[in-house]
Amino acid sequence: QVQLVESGGGVVQPGRSLRLSCAASGFTLSSYGMHWVRQAPGKGLEWVAVMWFDGTNKYYADSVKGRFTISRDNSRNTLDLQLNSLRAEDTAVYYCAKDRGPGYCSGGSCPSFDHWGQGTLVTVSS
Amino acid sequence: AIQLTQSPSSLSASVGDRVTITCRASQDIASALAWYQQKPGNAPKLLIYGASTLESGVPSRFSGSGSGTDFTLTISSLHPEDSATYYCQQFKNYLLTFGGGTKVEIK
Repeated sequence: QVQLVESGGGVVQPGRSLRLSCAASGFTLSSYGMHWVRQAPGKGLEWVAVMWFDGTNKYYADSVKGRFTISRDNSRNTLDLQLNSLRAEDTAVYYCAKDRGPGYCSGGSCPSFDHWGQGTLVTVSS
Repeated sequence: AIQLTQSPSSLSASVGDRVTITCRASQDIASALAWYQQKPGNAPKLLIYGASTLESGVPSRFSGSGSGTDFTLTISSLHPEDSATYYCQQFKNYLLTFGGGTKVEIK
């Protein structure tokens, strides 16, 4: 069955970098769109980034554009998120999430997340 | 970016009640809307996609409706395990956003 396991979270100072990883099993990453979604403590959900199934396109929320980079290692079936120039407002639980489809609208169906990891906490603090 | 406004932000209802949550989009998103349930300490769970299609394994007391800018999630008969926060999510122009959430409590 589908399983997503995030790792790499921790405490980091403002301005520094961190790399998150999501290990996927039970399906092939390169067959589906993959997303990162975050949730600040006690707050709602915020979509962060998407990579299309074939890796041809990546899109980011305005709040992280130019600072975060989504990538994928097909050989290890892992999804990564590089977080640079971190700010206090980036403090959140970061979830990787599998798209039901390719990461864009296809066949009348648009992106939604049918499987989620357990999340990894990133705390940005001096 | 498209904004999603959920109402109410919280509600309290009794077991067996019919519960309705609304989600309004700032622009026409056709049927590109999903609903999620999140319980404390857990990742969200997909309930509805395509505005009205029930995800496999989700109880039939959950239903979704709407298109364009106005959408509704309905729980036909509230169960104790439905106590959670519910989020809508949209997709348009390759970007996604979530609504602010609706916390449902059991009286």
